[in-house]
Amino acid sequence: ELKVEQNPLFLSMQEGKNYTIYCNYSTTSDRLYWYRQDPGKSLESLFVLLSNGAVKQEGRLMASLDTKARLSTLHITAAVHDLSATYFCAVEGYSGYALNFGKGTSLLVTP
Amino acid sequence: DAMVIQNPRYQVTQFGKPVTLSCSQTLNHNVMYWYQQKSSQAPKLLFHYYDKDFNNEADTPDNFQSRRPNTSFCFLDIRSPGLGDAAMYLCATSIGQGNSPLHFGNGTRLTVT
Repeated sequence: ELKVEQNPLFLSMQEGKNYTIYCNYSTTSDRLYWYRQDPGKSLESLFVLLSNGAVKQEGRLMASLDTKARLSTLHITAAVHDLSATYFCAVEGYSGYALNFGKGTSLLVTP
Repeated sequence: DAMVIQNPRYQVTQFGKPVTLSCSQTLNHNVMYWYQQKSSQAPKLLFHYYDKDFNNEADTPDNFQSRRPNTSFCFLDIRSPGLGDAAMYLCATSIGQGNSPLHFGNGTRLTVT
C-alpha cells in the first residue's frame, strides 16, 4: 500500500521564525509534488520536484527531495501571516501520473 | 485563461437523491480526475479518465460513477448519496505523464440532508 506521511500535521509558528515540514513516502518514485490549500479553496501547485537532490525555492518556501531516503522537506524561512494554509505533499501512484496525497500540514503563522 | 471549472460551487442534495457534479477544462489535458476531500483530510482519488479509458480506484464505492463524454467535460454521479458522502469534490486535470502537476478546479462542496 502506498503511504505518504507528513509531519507535523499541525504547526503554529510565530512570524519571522523558520520551520520545516517533512514528507515521507513509500514508493520508489523520483518525483514529488507540493500543494497549498487555503480554507475552503482548492489546491494550488507550489513545487514539482523531479529528481534526487532537487531543490526549488519560491519566496519564503524551499522544497527539497531525497529519493534515497524517500523524504521531501518544505522549509519555511521568516514566516509571515500570508503563509497560513494547509500544505500537502503528493507522490505519483501506480499509474505513474495520478497523485496520492499526504494528510496535510495545517500551518498557522501568528504575530 | 486556460482553466478547470467546476459547477456548481455548492450543491445540496437529499439523502438518497441522485446528484451530478460537473467539470470542464480548457487545458486540453488527457487526464481528468475526481478527488473527494472530507473536512481536514487529504484529497482521496476516486477515479480518473485517461482520454476515454476509465480507471477506478479499488476502494471507490459503487455508489460513485463517472462519465467523460468528450475531452473537455467530466461528470461525477452519486447514485444514492449518504450522509457520509458530504465532502468537497475536486476535479483535476493533467497531461498524463510523470512530472506533470495536477491542475485543480475550485471544487464543489456537497451537502447531504
